[in-house]
Amino acid sequence: DAKTTQPNSMESNEEEPVHLPCNHSTISGTDYIHWYRQLPSQGPEYVIHGLTSNVNNRMASLAIAEDRKSSTLILHRATLRDAAVYYCILANAGGTSYGKLTFGQGTILTVHP
Amino acid sequence: EAQVTQNPRYLITVTGKKLTVTCSQNMNHEYMSWYRQDPGLGLRQIYYSMNVEVTDKGDVPEGYKVSRKEKRNFPLILESPSPNQTSLYFCASRTQGANYGYTFGSGTRLTVV
Repeated sequence: DAKTTQPNSMESNEEEPVHLPCNHSTISGTDYIHWYRQLPSQGPEYVIHGLTSNVNNRMASLAIAEDRKSSTLILHRATLRDAAVYYCILANAGGTSYGKLTFGQGTILTVHP
Repeated sequence: EAQVTQNPRYLITVTGKKLTVTCSQNMNHEYMSWYRQDPGLGLRQIYYSMNVEVTDKGDVPEGYKVSRKEKRNFPLILESPSPNQTSLYFCASRTQGANYGYTFGSGTRLTVV
């Protein structure tokens, strides 16, 4: 499985934008980039995903580098409820690992009031 | 409300006593999966199912069984639980195609003594 690398932790202040980076230099052409987050005592929650183009939804934006070897999850205005562990995951669209999510350690995001 | 429901939320059992953790989804999803989460090891896939009667092993299948007789249900069976299966378990589902996100359940915290 292609791997991702994320910083162990990041901090932000409330109401400020947050840019969470992810490196995935061994990404294949059929890998989708998924982001999930896990709040304390809860199951992982889908945030956003993309293949090649930047993506926006109500929760966040995903900026994908042109060579697809890195991506950035953007929270436009962090709130205290955004404090969570954020996982960047590659999900393969084909082959024997079809659809599998391989979680790394993620980035612990702390949001200060 | 679209959701993945796991039961029970908490379970304490003794070594060797067979147990089943249920998972049900109301979204008509084809793909379902079980993960366990342990400190320092992150989330690891146990088993997955791509549709009714189609199941396969994930990364850590030893000591577990699953079945997929109906599309909505994907129970996790521990025939003879051992203390090393003490963990936090999550069920997840999504529709076919890598261009979709997963929905996770709220988790089952299992303690085997």
